[in-house]
Amino acid sequence: GEDVEQSLFLSVREGDSSVINCTYTDSSSTYLYWYKQEPGAGLQLLTYIFSNMDMKQDQRLTVLLNKKDKHLSLRIADTQTGDSAIYFCAETPNDYKLSFGAGTTVTVRA
Amino acid sequence: GAGVSQSPSNKVTEKGKDVELRCDPISGHTALYWYRQSLGQGLEFLIYFQGNSAPDKSGLPSDRFSAERTGGSVSTLTIQRTQQEDSAVYLCASSYLTSGSRRYEQYFGPGTRLTVT
Repeated sequence: GEDVEQSLFLSVREGDSSVINCTYTDSSSTYLYWYKQEPGAGLQLLTYIFSNMDMKQDQRLTVLLNKKDKHLSLRIADTQTGDSAIYFCAETPNDYKLSFGAGTTVTVRA
Repeated sequence: GAGVSQSPSNKVTEKGKDVELRCDPISGHTALYWYRQSLGQGLEFLIYFQGNSAPDKSGLPSDRFSAERTGGSVSTLTIQRTQQEDSAVYLCASSYLTSGSRRYEQYFGPGTRLTVT
C-alpha cells in the first residue's frame, strides 16, 4: 500500500456529504477502485473507474479522477450511519494485482 | 448467487504448526487471488491464479507459504511452520478472466482470521 496514500480518518455528520481522497503513483493503472470494509467483514467492491474517465456517478457515490495529479476521490452524498466503515482506494499497477492504500476510517455522527 | 466463501473463519494455531486455509470462488470465476491484511502491513497481494496458466506467486512472503488450485475452482493456501508474524486476516477474491471491464471486478470473501500463539 505504500504507493497509494489516503488520509486515515474522516468524521462526518449524518446527512452531509463525505469526501475521501486518495493519491496513487502508477500512471499505467487501468482501473482505480474503491472498496468498503465494515467491522469483521471482507472487502466490498463499491465502484471503480476506468483511467480514461474523469468522473463516474453511481447513485449516492461519485468518483472523480484527476489523472494529471494522480488524485482519486470518492464522494458519498447524504451520508448515513450505515456508511461508517473503512474505505480503501486501490490501483492496478500490472492489470490484476490490486495495490491498496491504508484505508480511511469514516465515522458518521448523528 | 453465492459469493466467495472461505473456511475456517477463525483459526488459532501454535507457532510451528502448519495451517491450511480454503477458498471457494464465485461460480464461473476463473481468476482467483489471495491477499493478506495485517495491522503492520495493510493489504498485501500474495498470489494470483489465472485459469490454467502458471500462477503469479510474487507476493508470497516466504517459502513457508504455498497455494494450489484444484480443478480450476477451490484453492488452498498453506502456511508451514507458522510464525507469530503470520497472524493476519487472509482474504480470497475471484473475478472473471475475460476481456472487458468485468475481469477487473475482484470480489472478496469474508476472510480467515489466523492467530499464531
